[in-house]
Amino acid sequence: DAKTTQPTSMDCAEGRAANLPCNHSTISGNEYVYWYRQIHSQGPQYIIHGLKNNETNEMASLIITEDRKSSTLILPHATLRDTAVYYCIVRVLTGNQFYFGTGTSLTVIP
Amino acid sequence: KAGVTQTPRYLIKTRGQQVTLSCSPISGHRSVSWYQQTPGQGLQFLFEYFSETQRNKGNFPGRFSGRQFSNSRSEMNVSTLELGDSALYLCASSLNKNEQFFGPGTRLTVL
Repeated sequence: DAKTTQPTSMDCAEGRAANLPCNHSTISGNEYVYWYRQIHSQGPQYIIHGLKNNETNEMASLIITEDRKSSTLILPHATLRDTAVYYCIVRVLTGNQFYFGTGTSLTVIP
Repeated sequence: KAGVTQTPRYLIKTRGQQVTLSCSPISGHRSVSWYQQTPGQGLQFLFEYFSETQRNKGNFPGRFSGRQFSNSRSEMNVSTLELGDSALYLCASSLNKNEQFFGPGTRLTVL
């Protein structure tokens, strides 16, 4: 079962940073936070994951609060191609299944 | 490297029929997972195969089954199709447990 809460939808102006929040207040110590996105009718695409430290890659940054009960995915300069549904997932690495919630539908506006 | 491929991409069946979907993972990936995506239920985990063995299973009826071959290719089968089985079926492969790479999916329509 999904253990995350995300806003249903968000808008972001093109070129601005998109900050997508995720609540995971029941996260366990051995659970990782993952972010995937799904562009319409395509398979989900991996973005980033982390345990407790902030992470950055070429796509995005992941900020995890110190108590690990919430996190924020940051797309530093949103483009129209970033319009997608973004899923925040918590999982333990002992199991390989991902439980997707309802995600946040991000619309980047020109 | 080629990505995860799924065939067919689109399929139309009628109630009561059975269907087999195929997934070829990324070369070297031994884990293959299957998901069902519908507008009402979202993305739901079906099952995972690793080295030809089912390692994890989601909460789906026995009409949904799968298998994995020695070359890691996987198939899933749905028997006695129902209207509610209309969905996008996604396959994902992984090398380790860090990330899964998804295919484009097979869009199944049951009439």
